[in-house]
Formats: sequence, C-alpha cells, structure tokens
Amino acid sequence: ELKVEQNPLFLSMQEGKNYTIYCNYSTTSDRLYWYRQDPGKSLESLFVLLSNGAVKQEGRLMASLDTKARLSTLHITAAVHDLSATYFCAAHSGGGADGLTFGKGTHLIIQP
Amino acid sequence: KAGVTQTPRYLIKTRGQQVTLSCSPISGHRSVSWYQQTPGQGLQFLFEYFSETQRNKGNFPGRFSGRQFSNSRSEMNVSTLELGDSALYLCASSLDVSGGYGYTFGSGTRLTVV
Repeated sequence: ELKVEQNPLFLSMQEGKNYTIYCNYSTTSDRLYWYRQDPGKSLESLFVLLSNGAVKQEGRLMASLDTKARLSTLHITAAVHDLSATYFCAAHSGGGADGLTFGKGTHLIIQP
Repeated sequence: KAGVTQTPRYLIKTRGQQVTLSCSPISGHRSVSWYQQTPGQGLQFLFEYFSETQRNKGNFPGRFSGRQFSNSRSEMNVSTLELGDSALYLCASSLDVSGGYGYTFGSGTRLTVV
C-alpha cells in the first residue's frame, strides 16, 4: 500500500526566507504531484513530476523528484505572503492502482 | 478552455437521506476520479472512472457509488447519509488513467449532513 508522508505539517516563516517541504513515499511511484490549496478552495495543480531527477520551477517554487530515495521536495525561494497556503504532495503508483495518495499537507504561513 | 465543473457547490442533507453529486470534466478528458477531503482523514481516493467503467475504488463502504456517462460526465451517490460523510468532495479530470498528464480538480461540493 502506497503511503505518503509530508513534513513539516506546519511551517511559519518570514518573507524573504527560503525553505523546503519534503515528501516521502513508501513504494515505487514514478508520478509525483504537488498541489496548492487556499482556505475553502479546491486544489490547484503546481507540478507534475514524471521521472527520476525531474526538476520543475515556476516563479519562487521549485520541485524535484528522486525516485531512488522515494523523495520529492518543494523549495520556496525568497518567500512572499501570497504563497501562504496548504501544499499537498500526491503520488500515483501507476498501473491503474488506487488513484492518487495524498500526504497530509503542509500548512504554510508567510509573515511579512 | 472550461475547467472541471462540479455541482452543486453546497449541500445540506439530513442523516439517512441520499445525495447525488455531479462532475463535468474538461472537454476531451476521459478519466474522472473522486476524492473526499475531511479535516481528520485528509484527502482520500473514492473511485476512478474511464470510458464509463469503474477502474478502481478506494476503501469506502458500498454506500458510496458512482457512474460515468458516455460524454465522460460523472456522478457519485452516497446513500443513507451519516454525519461522518460531511466533507468536501472533489472531482478530478485527466486525459487518461496513466497519471502522466496530471489531474485537474474541480471546485468541489461541500456536503454537510445534519
């Protein structure tokens, strides 16, 4: 059974700082996804990572995937208040198995 | 390009009733999957449909069911509602079931059971 663990679950940081959210998963997965959720809203797709070594960047966010370590990271550079949200990673084990398995989410607060 | 449309946005139902939620995927997308989000359990997979066939189902009781129509629109039904069914129900649309194209989520239906 695929399990996904995120850490930290809660992060309060100051504007301008850098930080990384970690996402570990328990069994082989070659598809890893990052989503953002604002309070009361749906999930917004940030990144789709499909192969070992994949790195994608959008603005101040950069995501990477290491399938050998079963680890994905979401790095935030020079955080701004607008990035405050809950970030989820999700893994898909492929082969038509049970949809996406989500981590518990990282609640990120960025203080001015 | 229209996104994933879920209706209704909000629902209040009484215990024991049943409810039907609807999801229209992005045009051309043939896979629709459903998720339940609660504060306690987080995001959990309910089921996935592709070409009108249920491909897999998460660990939910038989009160939760769904179907997909020939135009890829999907409905999910919850019968004999319980208080614990109160949740945000999210539908996700994808081109196929490989996961390679990512999943786009709808705005969700917030169900409250009283």
